[in-house]
Amino acid sequence: SQKIEQNSEALNIQEGKTATLTCNYTNYSPAYLQWYRQDPGRGPVFLLLIRENEKEKRKERLKVTFDTTLKQSLFHITASQPADSATYLCALYGSSNTGKLIFGQGTTLQVKP
Amino acid sequence: NAGVTQTPKFQVLKTGQSMTLQCAQDMNHEYMSWYRQDPGMGLRLIHYSVGAGITDQGEVPNGYNVSRSTTEDFPLRLLSAAPSQTSVYFCASTSRTEAFFGQGTRLTVV
Repeated sequence: SQKIEQNSEALNIQEGKTATLTCNYTNYSPAYLQWYRQDPGRGPVFLLLIRENEKEKRKERLKVTFDTTLKQSLFHITASQPADSATYLCALYGSSNTGKLIFGQGTTLQVKP
Repeated sequence: NAGVTQTPKFQVLKTGQSMTLQCAQDMNHEYMSWYRQDPGMGLRLIHYSVGAGITDQGEVPNGYNVSRSTTEDFPLRLLSAAPSQTSVYFCASTSRTEAFFGQGTRLTVV
């Protein structure tokens, strides 16, 4: 069956360091992959999208890589700040154009001052 | 500039009661979805729609009904609430490249 796995353990890092979050998937051939941020009590908010033919995408302090051979995406936050503390979700979108997004369980990031 | 509007924000139901969670979007998106979020489980897809009159089941559809009579609205109905449906529910409206979420409904079934 299709499966999306993110590290369920919280990631704790020091302010200024780079945070790296992992998203692995099996039995899936996504057209593209997305990353969302979710704060407590709020809905997820879109951050970045990377397509299957792209290796890397950047937006300000955020960088996403997408390896369709390894079936893995890495999400990096450079020069992390306490305000980056949140839960980060990866989501896969198939090529059937249904708007159907499948989410991983999310990884909670805590950036300590 | 409302985006996705979900109501209510909180709800307590007794086992066996029915209710409808409302969701409306003003972005003219074809795709809308309902998810539930439980601790440690991430977002699980309940039902989704690719346009008015067209709906399909997601990963966890049992106990829920949907309809899509207009592009704007996508209500989720709980037919006979059960304690296992205690969760936070999110409605999403999806463009070709990203999903926009409502504020969520925290539902408790006692």
